[in-house]
Amino acid sequence: QSALTQPPSASGSPGQSVTISCTGTSSDVGGYNYVSWYQQHPGKAPKLMISEVSKRPSGVPDRFSGSKSGNTASLTVSGLQAEDEADYYCSSYAGSNIVFGGGTKLTVL
Amino acid sequence: EVQLVESGGGLVQPGGSLKLSCAASGFTFSSYWMHWVRQAPGKGLVWVSRINTDGSSTSYADSVKGRFTISRDNAKNTLYLQMNSLRAEDTAVYYCVRGGSSSCYGWGQGTLVTVSS
Repeated sequence: QSALTQPPSASGSPGQSVTISCTGTSSDVGGYNYVSWYQQHPGKAPKLMISEVSKRPSGVPDRFSGSKSGNTASLTVSGLQAEDEADYYCSSYAGSNIVFGGGTKLTVL
Repeated sequence: EVQLVESGGGLVQPGGSLKLSCAASGFTFSSYWMHWVRQAPGKGLVWVSRINTDGSSTSYADSVKGRFTISRDNAKNTLYLQMNSLRAEDTAVYYCVRGGSSSCYGWGQGTLVTVSS
C-alpha cells in the first residue's frame, strides 16, 4: 500500500496552464480507471475535482481536466486563477483498498 | 444538501480506544459505500477503511488492520469507526467520505483525534 508519487510543488502565473503528475504502478493507477483528484484549501475538507480519470463532477470548472497514460495520471489546470492555489491530491483504486498521493502544493504566482 | 457530520474525536492516551460517528443526511445513505480517510497534522491524506452498502464487506489499510473496525447503521444513517489500541501515529483529522467501492466523492469536515499521554 505505497503512496502514489506526486511532485511536492507546482506553480504558474494567472492565465497559464499547469499539469500535476501522479505516478503509481500497474496494481493501482495502471490497473484501473479509478483515479480521482481532490483540491484542499488550508483548514478545509478536500473537494472532488476529477473522478474516474477524467470525469468532472457538476460544478467543477472545465478548466480542470484529467488524463492517464500507463501508470501515470495527470491533472491539468488551465487558465490559472488565484483561487486555484491549494493542495491537490490524487487517489487510485488498488484492489481492496484506495491509495492516495502525497499531495502537490499549487502556487499561483 | 449532502451533509456528513463527524463526531467523537478528542484526546486519548496511547493504548486507549475511541469511537467516531458520522451522521449522514441529504442523500440515500444505504445506497453508498462509505470510507474513512485521515490526515495527520501538516501531512497528506491516507485512506483508512471502507464499508459496502449493507455492511457485509469491509476493508482496511494495513496500518489499522486488527485495531480499527468500521460499521454502519443504515436505519440511523450513521457510519462508525471503532478505534482500539491507539498509537501516537494515529493522531489525525478523520474524515467521513461518501463514495463508491473504488472512489471517494463527498467529504465531511472531519474530527480531530489526538493520541498523547
